[in-house]
Amino acid sequence: EDQVTQSPEALRLQEGESSSLNCSYTVSGLRGLFWYRQDPGKGPEFLFTLYSAGEEKEKERLKATLTKKESFLHITAPKPEDSATYLCAVPLWGGSGAGSYQLTFGKGTKLSVIP
Amino acid sequence: ETGVTQTPRHLVMGMTNKKSLKCEQHLGHNAMYWYKQSAKKPLELMFVYNFKEQTENNSVPSRFSPECPNSSHLFLHLHTLQPEDSALYLCASSQGGNSGANVLTFGAGSRLTVL
Repeated sequence: EDQVTQSPEALRLQEGESSSLNCSYTVSGLRGLFWYRQDPGKGPEFLFTLYSAGEEKEKERLKATLTKKESFLHITAPKPEDSATYLCAVPLWGGSGAGSYQLTFGKGTKLSVIP
Repeated sequence: ETGVTQTPRHLVMGMTNKKSLKCEQHLGHNAMYWYKQSAKKPLELMFVYNFKEQTENNSVPSRFSPECPNSSHLFLHLHTLQPEDSALYLCASSQGGNSGANVLTFGAGSRLTVL
């Protein structure tokens, strides 16, 4: 069964302590893997899309990588303002009627960066 | 106004009330979505509209009734809700229709509490 799983569920880091978040997926024919950031009281905000194994993308202290089975979001020297819930999502076939690809989200990793 | 705007931001209603959530996008996108976000659960896709036509209804109970009068506006009409319907309701839009692989721009959400 196609699915998206994120780990850990929550992560507490000291400011400057680098770490990685994981998103594993089981889907044949990946049509892209998306990372979003969600701050409390706000909707998710797009960060990156990765399409093929070996691809990497960077934005400030964040770097996303992709293999054939999982994606990592590496956070280098995080700051308190990086605290948020990070969501990954992949298009999965589903829906009613004839069906279509739908962007399907994992449960997210809640990151807290302590000063 | 820019981006995706949702109103109201907070709504408390009784199980017998009728209310509506409103979403407006100022991005010129042609697909609009309703997602439900509950605690400890991944975002759940409810409805998709592509060029004002509903293309997905993910087995959502009939007490939720969507309306899309044009490509910029989306409503979610609520009636006879249950306490388990309490959640954050997120509206999103994308360019290029709904392929499941387009970047979504989310609104800030409407926090619904059903008493």
